[in-house]
Amino acid sequence: DTGVSQNPRHKITKRGQNVTFRCDPISEHNRLYWYRQTLGQGPEFLTYFQNEAQLEKSRLLSDRFSAERPKGSFSTLEIQRTEQGDSAMYLCASSATGGVSGYTFGSGTRLTVV
Amino acid sequence: QQQVKQSPQSLIVQKGGISIINCAYENTAFDYFPWYQQFPGKGPALLIAIRPDVSEKKEGRFTISFNKSAKQFSLHIMDSQPGDSATYFCAASNDYKLSFGAGTTVTVRA
Repeated sequence: DTGVSQNPRHKITKRGQNVTFRCDPISEHNRLYWYRQTLGQGPEFLTYFQNEAQLEKSRLLSDRFSAERPKGSFSTLEIQRTEQGDSAMYLCASSATGGVSGYTFGSGTRLTVV
Repeated sequence: QQQVKQSPQSLIVQKGGISIINCAYENTAFDYFPWYQQFPGKGPALLIAIRPDVSEKKEGRFTISFNKSAKQFSLHIMDSQPGDSATYFCAASNDYKLSFGAGTTVTVRA
């Protein structure tokens, strides 16, 4: 197992376009999280899945954001009609049922909206 | 609003010196306090963590000091090495999500 994998590593898009990121968690982890990190700041919680169920969404996730985790395996985060303010690093993490003490983060997807 | 306040924003230390980073929190429901290390282009990696029933925890050159009454905790990096140059984040949690500080960029000069 190679840890949490995120693709693509970098994405440059024009304002107004839709983008989708993928996260493959550690295989035995049933919890999956998305965080957003802007330059010079710590990561901020976006959403959380336990298996395929999305159990919490932060108010940071506007209606333009949607996340899925079909069959409780990989997850996708889609941003519709991107804005310059969406430029950030999007981090995925996973953990086993034990929760927060077992977080493993991926290397993130760096989104630049031009 | 940021639930965990971290200082300083950056620090420079000589090789072999001690780096000290401080964090403060308000939410008394927090019961898990980890520190993460992040290198450019990488995700945060867990360095060391503490629960509030312990006042200090040491792992190698890294020590967390925890003051429950003051709602503060700190990371001490002893014998700092150039490979320790990174951004360090404190965090806090009481369930499944982490609230992070803004980060401290540590530069170790050889």
